[in-house]
Amino acid sequence: EAQVTQNPRYLITVTGKKLTVTCSQNMNHEYMSWYRQDPGLGLRQIYYSMNVEVTDKGDVPEGYKVSRKEKRNFPLILESPSPNQTSLYFCASSSTWLGIETQYFGPGTRLLVL
Amino acid sequence: DAKTTQPTSMDCAEGRAANLPCNHSTISGNEYVYWYRQIHSQGPQYIIHGLKNNETNEMASLIITEDRKSSTLILPHATLRDTAVYYCIVRANSGYSTLTFGKGTMLLVSP
Repeated sequence: EAQVTQNPRYLITVTGKKLTVTCSQNMNHEYMSWYRQDPGLGLRQIYYSMNVEVTDKGDVPEGYKVSRKEKRNFPLILESPSPNQTSLYFCASSSTWLGIETQYFGPGTRLLVL
Repeated sequence: DAKTTQPTSMDCAEGRAANLPCNHSTISGNEYVYWYRQIHSQGPQYIIHGLKNNETNEMASLIITEDRKSSTLILPHATLRDTAVYYCIVRANSGYSTLTFGKGTMLLVSP
């Protein structure tokens, strides 16, 4: 089954404790991205990757890092989490065909930073 | 990408057709209309897209007006599981890019 998986699905942590949220897709997609969703602010892109070893900042990259060492994986790293990073996070991967892009989203990771 | 306008919320009885409108009066010639939906706290899900012809797939139908300034997503027989926020997005077919989700329409399907 074609899917995007994220782990963990729920995470409670404390300020400053480094954490990684993993994302993996089994569709051989080149493009992957991370979003955060907050009430009243909608979905905002954090980082994206056009391919292995190619990453770039989205709209709200501060406080986050990413890496793309393999095509299927795109982990999101919070080196020193702060309470304002409490949010619902989604990973997505995209396919394109004749310029039409379809994004597939993971199930989400709900993060609480105390 | 063109801006879209959708009603904040809509109600629909189970088994009836749900017709969700979207206004995109500033759409340009190379921009497609996409629809996604998000069931509560789940990841957004692609539904359908179109350029100027009406489109249908296993999930829904998309009707685009001749002037392309508005469109309607039709769920022919809504079920309780169709309760979700529906997003209408307009963007050019220029490859990979950020999807800009607005506030969407909260569709509540009732028994």
